[in-house]
Amino acid sequence: GEDVEQSLFLSVREGDSSVINCTYTDSSSTYLYWYKQEPGAGLQLLTYIFSNMDMKQDQRLTVLLNKKDKHLSLRIADTQTGDSAIYFCAEKTDSWGKLQFGAGTQVVVTP
Amino acid sequence: DTEVTQTPKHLVMGMTNKKSLKCEQHMGHRAMYWYKQKAKKPPELMFVYSYEKLSINESVPSRFSPECPNSSLLNLHLHALQPEDSALYLCATAGTGGGEQYFGPGTRLTVT
Repeated sequence: GEDVEQSLFLSVREGDSSVINCTYTDSSSTYLYWYKQEPGAGLQLLTYIFSNMDMKQDQRLTVLLNKKDKHLSLRIADTQTGDSAIYFCAEKTDSWGKLQFGAGTQVVVTP
Repeated sequence: DTEVTQTPKHLVMGMTNKKSLKCEQHMGHRAMYWYKQKAKKPPELMFVYSYEKLSINESVPSRFSPECPNSSLLNLHLHALQPEDSALYLCATAGTGGGEQYFGPGTRLTVT
């Protein structure tokens, strides 16, 4: 089965906060990432967190990491229609930078 | 500059054609990657180059042939592809150890 798991769909109203959750299994992961993919586009690196951190904030984005539970979350404050996309959680699994992706969470922002 | 460029943007090829996908970066990154992404699925790693040497081949069929002519360029040569190879092909680059990986916009490949 997949080593990284995410819920598949999230619907949120414009202006509300979105929270996307992810669980991973490799306790030796050094980096954990959030990527955004809009239709027909490549993956945009939104943010990442080192495994020795608990939290990282970057403008509207807040990443929380619970290493004990192997749980990662991405909070988007004041969600906008432009935030509608697929969000992938990923962990770096080896020294070559091989990424293990989750299945992706489709976020739909409604007016 | 955090840009990775890929050409062409779209490619339609027959099963007997030979074509190449190109990826270019000027971030000074020494690790470069090819991924394949099918619709509504996450990217799957195909190849990793580190310092222009092939480091990882994820058991990719020989009809896909990667090449890294220099530290800025990565090619993927295609020959005798099958319709099931139709997908979005993504290039990514990262610094040593693959910390922050930046992806290009991809090439949408259709095999007829």
